[in-house]
Amino acid sequence: SQELEQSPQSLIVQEGKNLTINCTSSKTLYGLYWYKQKYGEGLIFLMMLQKGGEEKSHEKITAKLDEKKQQSSLHITASQPSHAGIYLCGADIRAGNNRKLIWGLGTSLAVNP
Amino acid sequence: GAVVSQHPSRVICKSGTSVKIECRSLDFQATTMFWYRQFPKQSLMLMATSNEGSKATYEQGVEKDKFLINHASLTLSTLTVTSAHPEDSSFYICSARRQGPSSYNSPLHFGNGTRLTVT
Repeated sequence: SQELEQSPQSLIVQEGKNLTINCTSSKTLYGLYWYKQKYGEGLIFLMMLQKGGEEKSHEKITAKLDEKKQQSSLHITASQPSHAGIYLCGADIRAGNNRKLIWGLGTSLAVNP
Repeated sequence: GAVVSQHPSRVICKSGTSVKIECRSLDFQATTMFWYRQFPKQSLMLMATSNEGSKATYEQGVEKDKFLINHASLTLSTLTVTSAHPEDSSFYICSARRQGPSSYNSPLHFGNGTRLTVT
């Protein structure tokens, strides 16, 4: 099973609508990262969350990490066509005595004008 | 601006030839870089962790003789796909973290990826 569950897999919204993407793990997340990717291109860093209850915003995008540090949500307000792309969450989890970085499968977002 | 540069962005090669992909950290030193492979509409698959001055650490199922990694300096890692076959066609992305004691407080920075097509 996927260590980092991301939902929904895909999303189509009308321009101007709000939307939320979720990222959930059964393990404690030591760092949670949100990236945006256009297909066939590199990943653009959006935000990093590390503390339980932390919330960060950049322009119309807000990301939160829950108190238990096992779930994060990415919220886009008043979506625009420029928000279209693939959103990936990544997280640092404990693996034995080390940490490893795991990834969700991504959410494909389309915004219709 | 970009902090990790990956080159080339696209490459087409014939079956049996080798292809080298470069990954450079532009304004920071990276003792560790990561190489990922991404299949269409799928997430990132970690192939290997590149360690400056030592051997790369490969993930299970990744052939180290097939995917040669060299991390000769603190700002450059290379991935060479040897004797490429059509099934090696994919999108390869590298990433790096700023080194230091608080490196886990820094996000991964990604290159723009390399689209490899083997004919």
